[in-house]
Amino acid sequence: KQEVTQIPAALSVPEGENLVLNCSFTDSAIYNLQWFRQDPGKGLTSLLLIQSSQREQTSGRLNASLDKSSGRSTLYIAASQPGDSATYLCAVKSNYQLIWGAGTKLIIKP
Amino acid sequence: GAGVSQSPSNKVTEKGKDVELRCDPISGHTALYWYRQRLGQGLEFLIYFQGNSAPDKSGLPSDRFSAERTGESVSTLTIQRTQQEDSAVYLCASSFRAGLAINNEQFFGPGTRLTVL
Repeated sequence: KQEVTQIPAALSVPEGENLVLNCSFTDSAIYNLQWFRQDPGKGLTSLLLIQSSQREQTSGRLNASLDKSSGRSTLYIAASQPGDSATYLCAVKSNYQLIWGAGTKLIIKP
Repeated sequence: GAGVSQSPSNKVTEKGKDVELRCDPISGHTALYWYRQRLGQGLEFLIYFQGNSAPDKSGLPSDRFSAERTGESVSTLTIQRTQQEDSAVYLCASSFRAGLAINNEQFFGPGTRLTVL
């Protein structure tokens, strides 16, 4: 059974710092992995989707990597801003389902 | 519509009452998914539809939960005889289709926050 774990559960850093969020999964047989952002009272926003055949994806200040063999993904945020404060969720796609981690709550202090 | 919409955005109900949650998927999306997110936890898969059929209902927590979809469009998640442990945010997503297509990205609605007193 696929299980997804995110570490840390919460992170608070000063504005301007670079940071890394971690996601691990137990079954390497995945189709893709997605990173989402969740803001209070709002829906989920997809940030990056990495296909199983890919190693990384980049969008602006965000870079996500995928190492299927070790069951790990990282989300790198460069030059963090207060607007980056949110909960970040990773999800792996197995068949039609997305299996989710519990998220990392990120606070960027001005 | 432009995105997935859900109604109501918030629902407070008393224990034992029935509730209905609605999801309007993106037009043209044949697959629709329901998830539940309890406070401080990740999302739990409940059920998905391909067209109007639900091939997998295994995620539904109990027989108090049911869902239907009509016209390959709107879906309704019904919770009968609500319990306090049903309190959560219920999220709906849609995608072009379900199955093994690896590019079937799911787009999420804003969710319905259900509170059972």
